[in-house]
Amino acid sequence: EPEVTQTPSHQVTQMGQEVILRCVPISNHLYFYWYRQILGQKVEFLVSFYNNEISEKSEIFDDQFSVERPDGSNFTLKIRSTKLEDSAMYFCASSGRSDRGPNQPQHFGDGTRLSIL
Amino acid sequence: LAKTTQPISMDSYEGQEVNITCSHNNIATNDYITWYQQFPSQGPRFIIQGYKTKVTNEVASLFIPADRKSSTLSLPRVSLSDTAVYYCLVGDMRGITGGGNKLTFGTGTQLKVEL
Repeated sequence: EPEVTQTPSHQVTQMGQEVILRCVPISNHLYFYWYRQILGQKVEFLVSFYNNEISEKSEIFDDQFSVERPDGSNFTLKIRSTKLEDSAMYFCASSGRSDRGPNQPQHFGDGTRLSIL
Repeated sequence: LAKTTQPISMDSYEGQEVNITCSHNNIATNDYITWYQQFPSQGPRFIIQGYKTKVTNEVASLFIPADRKSSTLSLPRVSLSDTAVYYCLVGDMRGITGGGNKLTFGTGTQLKVEL
């Protein structure tokens, strides 16, 4: 079964440094997402991306965050100047087109654990 | 998205059937009901989705009464490996563009399966 893959599995970064988290969504999917989960807390939506632009973003997704789909396969999340509170699991998800059929569920990767020192 | 209420935790034993009920009194006409499973340090995994009546796949069954104000995830013959957090999500997953929409996770139900 196709999977969403994320790299690296664990990233340790000094506060103030830039970090890029990478994701390879399922190949025929059109919608891409980033979520995060701080240890012991809920999974929180960050941003959704469709047709090479952001569809929706949450309050968490401020100017320090950006997303990009640089080629036909990768989807990246960049944090420009990391803060201690950015430490969390970051999950990428993707889903297929659903306007012509039943709702298509989002499929998640296993995440990148980001630790800010 | 419709607000959901589900038990914080449940305990079971291997081989038993587990039913987790989710209340969603203000579900809208276009809303679907979706269940995810999450193991520690892993991403949420899609289990099952339904709109009304009963849906069954190789992993679980989803029972939705006629008024759709609640739903029950049924896991047959659980094993230790089913110990996880189970999330009930309700919403119109199609979104404005006809596909894709943010998911709003609650705290879920922590299922613990013992021998």
